[in-house]
Amino acid sequence: AQTIHQWPVAEIKAVGSPLSLGCTIKGKSSPNLYWYWQATGGTLQQLFYSITVGQVESVVQLNLSASRPKDDQFILSTEKLLLSHSGFYLCAWSLRGDYAEQFFGPGTRLTVL
Amino acid sequence: GDSVTQTEGQVALSEEDFLTIHCNYSASGYPTLFWYVQYPGEGPQLLFRASRDKEKGSSRGFEATYDKGTTSFHLRKASVQESDSAVYYCALSANYGNEKITFGAGTKLTIKP
Repeated sequence: AQTIHQWPVAEIKAVGSPLSLGCTIKGKSSPNLYWYWQATGGTLQQLFYSITVGQVESVVQLNLSASRPKDDQFILSTEKLLLSHSGFYLCAWSLRGDYAEQFFGPGTRLTVL
Repeated sequence: GDSVTQTEGQVALSEEDFLTIHCNYSASGYPTLFWYVQYPGEGPQLLFRASRDKEKGSSRGFEATYDKGTTSFHLRKASVQESDSAVYYCALSANYGNEKITFGAGTKLTIKP
């Protein structure tokens, strides 16, 4: 069975500090991978998606970057956090195909002070 | 750009009431439409999807019909239960492969026992 793991579970960081969030999918080869951001009480905003290793597409600019160093790993990062980066970060995966469902991970709660 | 409008931000009902959550969309071409449900502290889960005009999606007693004429995909359930309390998101994908998804603002459903 496939599993999706996100780390850390929660993070409290200072404005201006760097950030790295991770996501690993086990049990599926060559999945599509996605990063979403959700403000507290807000909607889901898709940030990035990747259909293959080393290739990442940006959907919206929020002073964040993403990388896919391995087939089963997706990293979200920034060198300098802003207060507006606070929220819930969700990783998701899907198979390739026109009717592919996206499966979401448990998320990482980020608080920037 | 693509957009999804959910009319109700919050809905409060009693058990066995009828539920309608309105969803209208704007997109070029023929998007795939989704309903997702999110429970507190978790990532969203797909309820169902529809890809063609007049196609009905359904799951767990919830249903919605794709209506291209009115650009709508309203969520309905005949008799809600307390366990249905959650946030519901209407979403669309207008690109081949459905990698890029746009979510509505979400509707918080609270069911009183």
